[in-house]
Amino acid sequence: DVKVTQSSRYLVKRTGEKVFLECVQDMDHENMFWYRQDPGLGLRLIYFSYDVKMKEKGDIPEGYSVSREKKERFSLILESASTNQTSMYLCATLRNEQYFGPGTRLTVT
Amino acid sequence: QQPVQSPQAVILREGEDAVINCSSSKALYSVHWYRQKHGEAPIFLMILLKGGEQKGHDKISASFNEKKQQSSLYLTASQLSYSGTYFCGTDSGGSNYKLTFGKGTLLTVNP
Repeated sequence: DVKVTQSSRYLVKRTGEKVFLECVQDMDHENMFWYRQDPGLGLRLIYFSYDVKMKEKGDIPEGYSVSREKKERFSLILESASTNQTSMYLCATLRNEQYFGPGTRLTVT
Repeated sequence: QQPVQSPQAVILREGEDAVINCSSSKALYSVHWYRQKHGEAPIFLMILLKGGEQKGHDKISASFNEKKQQSSLYLTASQLSYSGTYFCGTDSGGSNYKLTFGKGTLLTVNP
């Protein structure tokens, strides 16, 4: 069974903290993605990666960076968290169809 | 640029039909449809590839008009389990395979 897991379901951080969101997949998929989901705005692509150590900016990369050191793991990094980054973050892989993780609801106070 | 979905929300009674539309300003190679229930991750419903193919399973089907860059999702004889937010994701082809999602359509099916 296909699995995408995310390190936390809920996370509360303070403004200015460095935040790491981890995503792991067990499907040996090359393509991995990070989205944020906000009410009324749908799913917006932050960053994606087609291979180890490779990354591409999505539609809203400002304030974020990513890391992909191993094929199965794709990390999203908020260098200095701000309140406008409070959101639901979804990791996904893509091969024919998109497989989503359960999401991390991040609150920045 | 995000595809445009319409309507933004729809309320049905069990057994009624609904159509959700997805329109893009870009030429499309494929269109995906996903459903997300509250508090859960989106799940894949179907993919439509360039060629105007219509697909479906059970009482949910979809069409893709590549000339108009539009896709429609058809839900017939709706069930309570159909409630959720429906997203279309579009792929314009090219070297990078990635989806751009619409803002979603909230479907509520009441008894």
